[in-house]
Amino acid sequence: DAGVIQSPRHEVTEMGQEVTLRCKPISGHNSLFWYRQTMMRGLELLIYFNNNVPIDDSGMPEDRFSAKMPNASFSTLKIQPSEPRDSAVYFCASSPHEISPLHFGNGTRLTVT
Amino acid sequence: QKEVEQNSGPLSVPEGAIASLNCTYSDRGSQSFFWYRQYSGKSPELIMSIYSNGDKEDGRFTAQLNKASQYVSLLIRDSQPSDSATYLCAVLGQTGANNLFFGTGTRLTVIP
Repeated sequence: DAGVIQSPRHEVTEMGQEVTLRCKPISGHNSLFWYRQTMMRGLELLIYFNNNVPIDDSGMPEDRFSAKMPNASFSTLKIQPSEPRDSAVYFCASSPHEISPLHFGNGTRLTVT
Repeated sequence: QKEVEQNSGPLSVPEGAIASLNCTYSDRGSQSFFWYRQYSGKSPELIMSIYSNGDKEDGRFTAQLNKASQYVSLLIRDSQPSDSATYLCAVLGQTGANNLFFGTGTRLTVIP
């Protein structure tokens, strides 16, 4: 079991640039989650998918953020344009079902200068 | 009021002692409770889940749940330096996966 795979591990970009984060969930897991972690706010749910369908995106900060899951094995989180306040660690997690415990990827540390 | 509250610590205990981590939550209808361990620079990993009142033991870890008091705790017996990490409490509310809230975590340091 390779676990949840995220790329890149680190991303440094300038304000205004587009950033795309990628995630491959564990095979067979039906639910996929994107979280953001900061020191001040902890882990916050941005969006989650069930069977590739977005169920709740109310945690997405604003229209600059978008997420897609074109198939069961791939998801992206895009920020366009990026801002310094977007700097955080972004985690992707998957679970067999919506209410099962989560399996987290290693995260992408995003720094926007 | 935050959905899940934890003492941020840091909590320091000597090696071999019992570490006690506490968490309170606001949604009285919550049904599922989880403890995750997060080492610095790493991702959270699930160490315990508990669904009914009482104690649940797994090796050196014991989770305790009291739904009436809206309180969940994690005890670590015979603490080891390798237990030094941040422990996140997560509570799943009634309405489903979008109602899974994490506390901000308690940083534990076990002193050799």
